[in-house]
Amino acid sequence: GQNIDQPTEMTATEGAIVQINCTYQTSGFNGLFWYQQHAGEAPTFLSYNVLDGLEEKGRFSSFLSRSKGYSYLLLKELQMKDSASYLCAVRDRSRSGGYNKLIFGAGTRLAVHP
Amino acid sequence: KAGVTQTPRYLIKTRGQQVTLSCSPISGHRSVSWYQQTPGQGLQFLFEYFSETQRNKGNFPGRFSGRQFSNSRSEMNVSTLELGDSALYLCASSLGQSSGNTIYFGEGSWLTVV
Repeated sequence: GQNIDQPTEMTATEGAIVQINCTYQTSGFNGLFWYQQHAGEAPTFLSYNVLDGLEEKGRFSSFLSRSKGYSYLLLKELQMKDSASYLCAVRDRSRSGGYNKLIFGAGTRLAVHP
Repeated sequence: KAGVTQTPRYLIKTRGQQVTLSCSPISGHRSVSWYQQTPGQGLQFLFEYFSETQRNKGNFPGRFSGRQFSNSRSEMNVSTLELGDSALYLCASSLGQSSGNTIYFGEGSWLTVV
């Protein structure tokens, strides 16, 4: 089967660092995305990992270990505007040739407090 | 560069009616995917199109259909609407059929079925 797990909720303090974990079991792994979604809005792209290792983009970093089926999103210097849901999504390659099917976790709601 | 454009943004339909949603991908992108997002089920894959061909399909009933035109624009149709079809419908755009391409989402179409 296909399964993506991430914590339901997390809280953190403004200025701090938070790590959101994601574990996955899928049949056709072709990369892992992290998206941010504010309430009532569409998901916005944060990062994409295809190979093992760390990808850094400003205050956001994402790590992937394909052998462990594990990824994390690291948010540094947290700001109030970072309060949102963070979605982990695996790109699943289909037998019919499609490359762009994403399987999403349920999302992690992050609340940043002053 | 314009992002993924979806129309209409908001609509209200009555049970039994049908609805057509439109998506214009980012200029130069040829792959379009559709997702349904509900509070209970999260983000679920509907279908994926590339070069006017459906490349992948999710586990939705036949009432859900889509197509892609030669200019890469896509439409999805839901017939015989049910209350449970009330959701945010998201279109995602990608350059092509490669695991190296990033996937970007449009702002979505909010459908309410009454």
